[in-house]
This record gives sequence, C-alpha cells and structure tokens, in this order.
Amino acid sequence: ETGVTQTPRHLVMGMTNKKSLKCEQHLGHNAMYWYKQSAKKPLELMFVYNFKEQTENNSVPSRFSPECPNSSHLFLHLHTLQPEDSALYLCASSLTGSTNEKLFFGSGTQLSVL
Amino acid sequence: TQLLEQSPQFLSIQEGENLTVYCNSSSVFSSLQWYRQEPGEGPVLLVTVVTGGEVKKLKRLTFQFGDARKDSSLHITAAQPGDTGLYLCAGAGGGADGLTFGKGTHLIIQP
Repeated sequence: ETGVTQTPRHLVMGMTNKKSLKCEQHLGHNAMYWYKQSAKKPLELMFVYNFKEQTENNSVPSRFSPECPNSSHLFLHLHTLQPEDSALYLCASSLTGSTNEKLFFGSGTQLSVL
Repeated sequence: TQLLEQSPQFLSIQEGENLTVYCNSSSVFSSLQWYRQEPGEGPVLLVTVVTGGEVKKLKRLTFQFGDARKDSSLHITAAQPGDTGLYLCAGAGGGADGLTFGKGTHLIIQP
C-alpha cells in the first residue's frame, strides 16, 4: 500500500466513449503526476500538478484532459481515444515536486481502447 | 532527448544465483533512482543514489552509481522468487524536466 489509490483498475472503452480516471492520495503531498506505461517504452510523463497548478504538459494530445481540484485528487478525462492509447496509466505523488524526490505510485488503470 | 538504456531487457535465472543489471546513459544525472514494479502494481522506490561512486546496500541488493554519474548497476546476491519484477532506473537532471525513465529489466527468478 503506497498511499496512492487509483480507480478503476481496469477500463475498456470504445473510441467514442468518454471516461475518467481517478487518483487520490492522503500522504500530504503537494505534487501529483500522470504517467503512461506502454509495452517496450519507458514511462512517459504526461502531466504534473504542483499545489493544484499544472506545471507540465508533455505535448499530450487534447483527447486527454487532466483536472486537479485539490492537492489530494487528480483526474484524467478521456474522450475519443485511439487504440494506440491502450496502456497502463499510472498516477504518482511526491512531497514538493522536486525532481530528486521519491515518487509514490498508484497501482494504475489498465486501459484498453477498442 | 535524454535516454537511459537498461540491460538486459529480460533475465530469467534460478533461485540462488547472482545477477547484475545495468542502467547507462550519455547524460550526467544529479541523482538516480531504482524502482521495482510487480505485476498489476505501480513501481516502488528501492533506492536513490546521489554521489558519483556511491554504493548502497539493501539486504541482498547492491546499487552503485558510476563515478561520472552517467550509469548505475544493481547487483542481486542469491536471488529469490520474491525478487521477480520489472526493475526501472530513473535519472534526475540531465537536462530534462522531471525524471527520465529507462525501459526496465524484466527479471524472473525461478524456484
């Protein structure tokens, strides 16, 4: 148990669906992240939020829309996804957002786009 | 683009054997982290190395940061089935924002 909870654990959606991924942490951390993990690729950083403000958007397509209502919750809204978006989506948090900090990861949402 | 190359990609050995996996780059990093990820779970931090030449031990795991802070190795002594997982290295600094992750080494320890 890392203290970071992601729901759902598994999600299957069609290309025309709209869905949301949820992440919650009660570690008192101020930075939250979305990563994408695909087979045969390194973890890709998608978005960073620090004190609820988005500080990084790594050229992610607009069909992915993050939302951070407070320091404990992070959402990733999905719409009109493509099959190549199928991957494990990992949420992480860290204390202040410093690059050298330990990241606490959730268990991920395994997404399949049909 | 900052790259961390991990080798080997896959390794399957018998319980009790020793092994070393590597993490190499042409970039200099201010620190390097090693994570282990088990199936169906997110990565969990094992160690952070900061100083060139630093060696850290975590029970049967020995981590080393290269003198030039461009590479790192993880040595496991007397591997056990519980060591099975995906081992990821991640470098901080190196000219990129955030951590740069390698693709990982898939390790299977057979009983």
